[in-house]
Amino acid sequence: QKEVEQNSGPLSVPEGAIASLNCTYSDRGSQSFFWYRQYSGKSPELIMFIYSNGDKEDGRFTAQLNKASQYVSLLIRDSQPSDSATYLCGGDTGRRALTFGSGTRLQVQP
Amino acid sequence: DAGVIQSPRHEVTEMGQEVTLRCKPISGHNSLFWYRQTMMRGLELLIYFNNNVPIDDSGMPEDRFSAKMPNASFSTLKIQPSEPRDSAVYFCASSSGERSSYNEQFFGPGTRLTVL
Repeated sequence: QKEVEQNSGPLSVPEGAIASLNCTYSDRGSQSFFWYRQYSGKSPELIMFIYSNGDKEDGRFTAQLNKASQYVSLLIRDSQPSDSATYLCGGDTGRRALTFGSGTRLQVQP
Repeated sequence: DAGVIQSPRHEVTEMGQEVTLRCKPISGHNSLFWYRQTMMRGLELLIYFNNNVPIDDSGMPEDRFSAKMPNASFSTLKIQPSEPRDSAVYFCASSSGERSSYNEQFFGPGTRLTVL
């Protein structure tokens, strides 16, 4: 079992809809989680980070962390075609700085 | 502000040759990370340094890979001898703070390595 798991997608949503990206992790000791966005051919860039149980909102983005169930999610409201990218979930698994999932490819249809 | 700088951006080499990838972290950052990204395996952490000292190199695939950080502004990742399965995009990232996993990592543009 990988330490951080994501559905590879693609996840396809219409423009204006809510995109929901999910990530599960295996190490109960994990403390912090990061969502990175990666456009094709580009390097990852940070979207959100979350340390505490519950929700954290930043503009159109909401990160949710549920430590009891060991999952992290990223909601993108009012999805735009420019949000089409691969989203990487990274977790502090304790043994390394960050372990990333394989990424979920999001396609926002105009 | 200059971000993380990597060179070369593209490298094509033949199997058996030595490859050296270079990285200059953001000034003032004290943690540096080397990642490898492939379609099959995703983004994998190879090694990370804190204050120029290797902290975790358990992701380094095998003895053919080595990394150094002689000072706070420069790091190299060397593959010798290179093999076709080493073909990937190699990213360098840097961050600040004592607990690197709590702090945003800034990624360089990557080096696309092709081993023929």
